[in-house]
Amino acid sequence: DTGVSQDPRHKITKRGQNVTFRCDPISEHNRLYWYRQTLGQGPEFLTYFQNEAQLEKSRLLSDRFSAERPKGSFSTLEIQRTEQGDSAMYLCASSSIAGINYNEQFFGPGTRLTVL
Amino acid sequence: AQRVTQPEKLLSVFKGAPVELKCNYSYSGSPELFWYVQYSRQRLQLLLRHISRESIKGFTADLNKGETSFHLKKPFAQEEDSAMYYCALVRAGGQNFVFGPGTRLSVLP
Repeated sequence: DTGVSQDPRHKITKRGQNVTFRCDPISEHNRLYWYRQTLGQGPEFLTYFQNEAQLEKSRLLSDRFSAERPKGSFSTLEIQRTEQGDSAMYLCASSSIAGINYNEQFFGPGTRLTVL
Repeated sequence: AQRVTQPEKLLSVFKGAPVELKCNYSYSGSPELFWYVQYSRQRLQLLLRHISRESIKGFTADLNKGETSFHLKKPFAQEEDSAMYYCALVRAGGQNFVFGPGTRLSVLP
């Protein structure tokens, strides 16, 4: 296990298209988070899962955004009808709910989305 | 609502000089505070958290509830400390992490 992985690393799409990103967390981690980061800003929380349950969603997550973690392992983030304002880096992170690394988030490399 | 501010976008210091990266937060309850760091071409990673009270890579940070601050300090900066630093907050029992906008630290030779 080499850490959190995200796929694809880069995505260019046209406005109005749907896109889906995948995140594979560290295998023993129960929690999985999605963030969005735009230039000059820190990561903005979008949503998080504990196992397969989506427990919290930000108001930033409009109805065009949906995230799933069907078996409590990998997660997908889908954006429907993309808009130019969706262009950003989408980060995934995972953490354990117990142990000495409790609440320490391990981040993936991110997926950079460009909407033309 | 929780909010984290980092007043400096860029901080430049000379090698060997002390460095302090400022972080202020607004939250009425008991927060958990973190500093995350991103080195060039690397992932965001945890540097330290207030509950562990550790010194990591020579950095320390003290939570000051009266001033609602969590400034990051190092007495002698090294060139390898050059990176982007983010302060983050989560309310106790929550998982909605709030990150500040970040400060880019540049340590000059």
